[in-house]
Amino acid sequence: GQNIDQPTEMTATEGAIVQINCTYQTSGFNGLFWYQQHAGEAPTFLSYNVLDGLEEKGRFSSFLSRSKGYSYLLLKELQMKDSASYLCAVSDISGGYNKLIFGAGTRLAVHP
Amino acid sequence: DTGVSQNPRHKITKRGQNVTFRCDPISEHNRLYWYRQTLGQGPEFLTYFQNEAQLEKSRLLSDRFSAERPKGSFSTLEIQRTEQGDSAMYLCASSLVSQGGASGNTIYFGEGSWLTVV
Repeated sequence: GQNIDQPTEMTATEGAIVQINCTYQTSGFNGLFWYQQHAGEAPTFLSYNVLDGLEEKGRFSSFLSRSKGYSYLLLKELQMKDSASYLCAVSDISGGYNKLIFGAGTRLAVHP
Repeated sequence: DTGVSQNPRHKITKRGQNVTFRCDPISEHNRLYWYRQTLGQGPEFLTYFQNEAQLEKSRLLSDRFSAERPKGSFSTLEIQRTEQGDSAMYLCASSLVSQGGASGNTIYFGEGSWLTVV
């Protein structure tokens, strides 16, 4: 089976840095995704990691350690518009077919 | 540029009625997914298609739910005899699976179809 854990809520200050952690267990790991979702809207793609290490994309970076079943999303220079849910999702190919399994999401509130 | 399109965006229906949602994926994408999301939760996988073939169905998909993708392009998700517990946002997503490469795994979501069963 699959299990994905991430904190339910986090708060941070505008201009600061925040790290959102995600741990996972899956039998058919084929990559890890981070999505951003504003209230009432669809998730939008942020990043993808399939190899260990850090992937940087502007203010957002994502890290993966496959041996530890661990990832984090790092958001720098926080802006008010970054207030959203951040979804950790694992690409799972167990059973022969590839699908994304999502965590419950971390609601980030950015304060002035 | 047309992304994943879903309609209707909102549907309010009485318990026991049937509803159907339509999804038009990104045109060159060969995979199409249906997810369900309730407040405070992440999207839950329901089913997916590779072209017109339905490859996997979640145990969440009871016999009241049926999905089709007859020509390998658009898809429909029908819920029969709706129950209040079916109230959720139904998300469609698509991806292009190619030989190798990370980009083939990226799934792009539509805006979702909100269902309220009263």
